[in-house]
Formats: sequence, C-alpha cells, structure tokens
Amino acid sequence: DVKVTQSSRYLVKRTGEKVFLECVQDMDHENMFWYRQDPGLGLRLIYFSYDVKMKEKGDIPEGYSVSREKKERFSLILESASTNQTSMYLCASSHRGHRESNQPQHFGDGTRLSIL
Amino acid sequence: AQKITQTQPGMFVQEKEAVTLDCTYDTSDPSYGLFWYKQPSSGEMIFLIYQGSYDQQNATEGRYSLNFQKARKSANLVISASQLGDSAMYFCAMRPYSSASKIIFGSGTRLSIRP
Repeated sequence: DVKVTQSSRYLVKRTGEKVFLECVQDMDHENMFWYRQDPGLGLRLIYFSYDVKMKEKGDIPEGYSVSREKKERFSLILESASTNQTSMYLCASSHRGHRESNQPQHFGDGTRLSIL
Repeated sequence: AQKITQTQPGMFVQEKEAVTLDCTYDTSDPSYGLFWYKQPSSGEMIFLIYQGSYDQQNATEGRYSLNFQKARKSANLVISASQLGDSAMYFCAMRPYSSASKIIFGSGTRLSIRP
C-alpha cells in the first residue's frame, strides 16, 4: 500500500513565524503535491513537483514556497505565517506512468494548521 | 475552462438505500480521467474509483460504480446498499491529459447516512 506521511496532524503557530510542513512518501512516486482545503472551496493546489529539485506553482502559491531535495520528501514552507493561512493542508503523491491520466493521487492524513 | 461541478452540498440517505452523487465536468481535452475520493471526518482522502474518457464500460469497485455519460459530461458516483461508514465528504475530480499530472477537484458533497 502507498503510504504518504505528513509530519503533524495538528499544528499551532503564531503570525509571522516561518512554518515547515513535511511530507514523505514511500512508493518512489515522481509527482508530489501540496493542497489546502477550506470549507466550500474544495482542494486548491498550492505547488507541485515532478522530480527532485523541480517545482511548479499551482493555483494559490502566494505566501508559500516548497522544497524537494530528495525524491521521497516534499516540504511546504510558509515564509511568514498569516491568519488567512489557517487551513487544512494535504500532501499527495502519484506515479507518472505512460498512461498518466489513470494514475490516482494518494494522500496523507492532512495537517490542520492554526495561525494565531 | 477546466472545471468540476458538484451541485449537492449535502445529502441525507437512509441506511441500506442506494445513493447517487452528482458530478459534471467541463474540459476541451479529448482525453481525461475522472476520479472519486472519500474524505471521512478524520481527514484522510481515500481514492475510490477511476473512469477513463475512452473506457467503454462504466467503472465499478465493490459497492461503488461510476455512471459515466460522456455526451452529458457527467460522472455520477453510485453507492449501493449504503452503510453508516459511508458518511463522509465525497469529491469528484478530473485530470485532463494535457494538465501534466494536475487534478481538478470539485467542492464536494457531504453524505450523511441515517440508521
């Protein structure tokens, strides 16, 4: 079974802090993703990565950055946390196969982040 | 524009009844994949079922089936013989072939099963 592990289920930080959310997958997936989930808005893509040291902006990258130094690990960084970044953050990974459209994304359990 | 629409924010269903969750999509890509995910209150997203745009038959996985109507651009999820454990948020999602691995999610439907 695919295992995507997020470092924290719950996290409380203060405004202005630099926040790191870590994600590790154990299935040698090429693709990794960070989403945030807010009520009524579904999942919105923040950043994604196709390969080590590779990153691309998603739909809402402002206020975030990412790091992928190793294939299995994808980190989301809030450079200076603000209260509007209070949300549920979900990490996902997927295999990049020859018929890529049928590859599901596998998700971690999520991190509920509160910025005070 | 690429878009997924789920028009039912919430549904209540009696245990053991069948339930249909609606999903319509919009894409100009000739090739795409459609997915359904379940999210229980604990937060994890669980992949349920996949339908490819060129698949001739509707996908089925146990009690889940996907009613795929390509001309109408709809991909409704059918859950047969619902159980209390089916209470969760359900998300429809699409990956157009040109999207380079990105999946577009709908806003979700909250399903509640009554005993």
